[in-house]
Amino acid sequence: NAGVTQTPKFQVLKTGQSMTLQCAQDMNHEYMSWYRQDPGMGLRLIHYSVGAGITDQGEVPNGYNVSRSTTEDFPLRLLSAAPSQTSVYFCASSPGQGNPTYEQYFGPGTRLTVT
Amino acid sequence: GQQVMQIPQYQHVQEGEDFTTYCNSSTTLSNIQWYKQRPGGHPVFLIQLVKSGEVKKQKRLTFQFGEAKKNSSLHITATQTTDVGTYFCAGPAEGAQKLVFGQGTRLTINP
Repeated sequence: NAGVTQTPKFQVLKTGQSMTLQCAQDMNHEYMSWYRQDPGMGLRLIHYSVGAGITDQGEVPNGYNVSRSTTEDFPLRLLSAAPSQTSVYFCASSPGQGNPTYEQYFGPGTRLTVT
Repeated sequence: GQQVMQIPQYQHVQEGEDFTTYCNSSTTLSNIQWYKQRPGGHPVFLIQLVKSGEVKKQKRLTFQFGEAKKNSSLHITATQTTDVGTYFCAGPAEGAQKLVFGQGTRLTINP
């Protein structure tokens, strides 16, 4: 199993550009989530999904969209990039049948810089 | 909303010294998870505690869950350079299918 994969690893955007961060898992996990990590701020939840076709907002959803058309994929879209979105983005999945209270498997992360 | 606080934010120790990080939740938790993130890496699951007063050990690491299920600690005995990284606790948000992470404790070690 590849586990959780994320692409790209690094990305530089100009203010106002849009892009999609890709996340895929091959473990048949129902629960998937996106976090951003900023220095001293820990991991903050952006959006999450308890299964295909179901998504919900986390702690910091503004400026981001998600969709979950398949169990495997959970892309994160930045609609109009802003410098405040410079961060490291982690995707995670969990085997907990739609419940996050099981072990989270994290992807390697995408390091995004917005200039 | 629910908050999970970790202290200290940073800890620097000499190799061989012990290290402890503390996690406190504003609400009672059904369980608590601990993760380790090496520099430049991604968080990796260490353990989950579920029962009030539970203590679990993994080699030199000891994890405790408080009696009231609102606090937890991670203690590392005789640190080694391989212990360098940031340690996070996380608990499920009350009434929601979300996991709330603490800010993490960054451990650095002088060899």
